[in-house]
Amino acid sequence: SQQGEEDPQALSIQEGENATMNCSYKTSINNLQWYRQNSGRGLVHLILIRSNEREKHSGRLRVTLDTSKKSSSLLITASRAADTASYFCATVPNTGNQFYFGTGTSLTVIP
Amino acid sequence: KAGVTQTPRYLIKTRGQQVTLSCSPISGHRSVSWYQQTPGQGLQFLFEYFSETQRNKGNFPGRFSGRQFSNSRSEMNVSTLELGDSALYLCASSLGQGIANTGELFFGEGSRLTVL
Repeated sequence: SQQGEEDPQALSIQEGENATMNCSYKTSINNLQWYRQNSGRGLVHLILIRSNEREKHSGRLRVTLDTSKKSSSLLITASRAADTASYFCATVPNTGNQFYFGTGTSLTVIP
Repeated sequence: KAGVTQTPRYLIKTRGQQVTLSCSPISGHRSVSWYQQTPGQGLQFLFEYFSETQRNKGNFPGRFSGRQFSNSRSEMNVSTLELGDSALYLCASSLGQGIANTGELFFGEGSRLTVL
């Protein structure tokens, strides 16, 4: 299966700390995207990184991509209670046109 | 610009019944895809429609079907409901230009189906 896996499954940090979550996938990709989901709600797109990019920033978010290791990481700096949510990576394989979502990391930011 | 709208938000059905869920994409988006989300299986791709044609299909039984109308609105139907069909069903729209859909997905809030 192309489905990615996020690590860790759950993460609990204090407000103001940085949060790092990782995503691993199995096949060559066109791009990798990160999404956030608040409990019981729809997913919200955070950032997209293409296979020829190694790092991308958006506000407090920093995403890295290592295609040789088939992995990506999402860093949220100076976390806030409002960042509490589940975070998913989604990959689009080179040979397909379907999104594959990872298993998600549940982040809890304690005020 | 209005977001993706899914109806109904919540519904309860019994085993053996059928259900139809509706999704209105963002104006101008021609691609609509559906996902099933459960605690055990995560997000599973059901199918994608582009300009009224099913472009891609996930690994679900034939009880799960969908369609897309000329205004890009989409419906999915699940027949002969089973307990395991209880899930959050998410619809996502995107511009979906070209053969492959590789751009950002815009999700609705989902339809939470409970099968008793």
